[in-house]
Amino acid sequence: DVKVTQSSRYLVKRTGEKVFLECVQDMDHENMFWYRQDPGLGLRLIYFSYDVKMKEKGDIPEGYSVSREKKERFSLILESASTNQTSMYLCASSLPSGQSTLNYGYTFGSGTRLTVV
Amino acid sequence: KQEVTQIPAALSVPEGENLVLNCSFTDSAIYNLQWFRQDPGKGLTSLLLIQSSQREQTSGRLNASLDKSSGRSTLYIAASQPGDSATYLCAVEYNFNKFYFGSGTKLNVKP
Repeated sequence: DVKVTQSSRYLVKRTGEKVFLECVQDMDHENMFWYRQDPGLGLRLIYFSYDVKMKEKGDIPEGYSVSREKKERFSLILESASTNQTSMYLCASSLPSGQSTLNYGYTFGSGTRLTVV
Repeated sequence: KQEVTQIPAALSVPEGENLVLNCSFTDSAIYNLQWFRQDPGKGLTSLLLIQSSQREQTSGRLNASLDKSSGRSTLYIAASQPGDSATYLCAVEYNFNKFYFGSGTKLNVKP
């Protein structure tokens, strides 16, 4: 069963800490994405990567950075966590544009609920 | 920026009813459209993917249709069950790896 795995289901961090959220996919997908999801705001794209070592800013990149050293792993980094970064973080992966099929579309991890105190 | 709209935002129906969820998008030059289900506090689970050349896809009690020219997709759920209660999101894929999500329809199926 193909999947996207996020390393932590729940995480509590202190303000100012550097936080790493890890995501691993086993589908050999080129694209990987990080979203945050907040009530009333829907899914908002933070960063995405279309290849190893490649990254592009999404809609809300401020306060975040990413790393993709290997094809299967995409890390989201909160440089200095703040309380307004308390949220559900979702990782996803996909094939390049136009190559998605019935069985290999956009695939999400189960999410990391991050609380910054 | 592309816009994806889902109507209604919330829906409550008695068990056994057939129901339709709607998704509309502003630009018809899509690659594909995907429907997801999200349970509270969980990630998104893919339900159906319709490629731009297709008109519909079916999986069990679910049927999704796509009308590119009018910028619309519908998700039809037959004989709804309490276990179908969740938020349903549609996502549209465009060129250059651009995905746009609707804000979702929260479905409650009452026993």
